[in-house]
Amino acid sequence: EVQVLESGGGLVQPGGSLRLSCATSGFTFSNFAMSWVRQAPGKGLEWVSVISGSGDSSNYAESVKGRFTMSRDNSKNTLYLQMNSLRAEDTATYYCARGAWYCSGGHCYDHWGQGTLVTVSS
Amino acid sequence: DIVMTQSPDSLAVSLGERATINCKSSQSILYSSNNKSYLAWYQQKPGQPPKLLIYWASTRASGVPDRFSGSGSGTDFTLTISSLQAEDVAAYYCQQHYSIPTCSFGQGTKLEIK
Repeated sequence: EVQVLESGGGLVQPGGSLRLSCATSGFTFSNFAMSWVRQAPGKGLEWVSVISGSGDSSNYAESVKGRFTMSRDNSKNTLYLQMNSLRAEDTATYYCARGAWYCSGGHCYDHWGQGTLVTVSS
Repeated sequence: DIVMTQSPDSLAVSLGERATINCKSSQSILYSSNNKSYLAWYQQKPGQPPKLLIYWASTRASGVPDRFSGSGSGTDFTLTISSLQAEDVAAYYCQQHYSIPTCSFGQGTKLEIK
């Protein structure tokens, strides 16, 4: 059974940093692109970033480019999101999602975690 | 950037009736080499993560009931629930995955029971 579990969310002050983790199991992690998708309270879904299965390629939404860095450790089946220079508008539930093999660039998502809430506030 | 626009923003349908949600992309998301539109639909129930329903505009994901169907091509797409069940109350999102390495979602449609 595929499992995806995010952790690391919490309350952080504007300008601060936070590192999210996403532990996975039940599939060959290195074979799949992975993404982060966020959802502000009461709002819709926003794609944040994607990383290739090997980890040698990543891309970001303009809203987070230069501030967020996505990485993965295929030996630990774990995904990371390093978030720096956080702003109030980054407040959201952050979901880790597996890219389906049948979608271009792994950009539709067949398995999601339950999400971790990040709150940026003073 | 490709902008996805859903209509309506909210919808109330009686149990057993048909529900229809529309999604329009600001440019074509039809990939000419394979004639597939790179459009997915998700269902999100309150307090839960999204669930993939449809990909390639009309292919149901594994385990999705056949009352859910997707149609459309190019820029205009529709998600149809043929006979609404109580468990279908949720928000529904379309997503284009044509403009790799980025993608974008519609603003969502909230579906309720009338």
